[in-house]
Amino acid sequence: GAVVSQHPSWVICKSGTSVKIECRSLDFQATTMFWYRQFPKQSLMLMATSNEGSKATYEQGVEKDKFLINHASLTLSTLTVTSAHPEDSSFYICSARDVQGSTYNEQFFGPGTRLTVL
Amino acid sequence: GQQVMQIPQYQHVQEGEDFTTYCNSSTTLSNIQWYKQRPGGHPVFLIQLVKSGEVKKQKRLTFQFGEAKKNSSLHITATQTTDVGTYFCARQAGTALIFGKGTTLSVSS
Repeated sequence: GAVVSQHPSWVICKSGTSVKIECRSLDFQATTMFWYRQFPKQSLMLMATSNEGSKATYEQGVEKDKFLINHASLTLSTLTVTSAHPEDSSFYICSARDVQGSTYNEQFFGPGTRLTVL
Repeated sequence: GQQVMQIPQYQHVQEGEDFTTYCNSSTTLSNIQWYKQRPGGHPVFLIQLVKSGEVKKQKRLTFQFGEAKKNSSLHITATQTTDVGTYFCARQAGTALIFGKGTTLSVSS
């Protein structure tokens, strides 16, 4: 199946700093990528849909000025958590659809980034 | 978007016992997908159901889509320790997915 990578896999930062998370589709092009957040023992909550070459679409309740999303190429989307606070500590997972190679609407998930804000 | 309801939240079984998780929606679904997330891992696609009343099997896993396309189930026959993890159903919302809360399965040998 298609492979999606994420970097870093984990990060610890101080409160007030910004953290950038990269999501890459390694063997396919993804015009659309998705960012999810997962708190311990909870489900994945969709944060935003990242569209290549255009602005991301944010879900209700997600601050677009705090979670900056850039989808500069067909294989890379980045999520920047600005002025991070301890309540932003979570598992951030990206996903992408290989619209050309799959007959399904399945999404391929990255391995996730565990963010801890001190 | 409206979340799909999933039950039970947790299930513990002895190895060899069967396991079922259910997913329900108040609205008709265009399709439903199932994912498995191992502890510490990321979700992995299992299957997509599209047709009313559809039943699909993957070895010991049986997936069903209700006639009204409002509910779905995943049944595992004779569970093994490798089946542990959280099973999520997810509904399509445009190009994005809205996940259920998941059912976490633990298996003791």
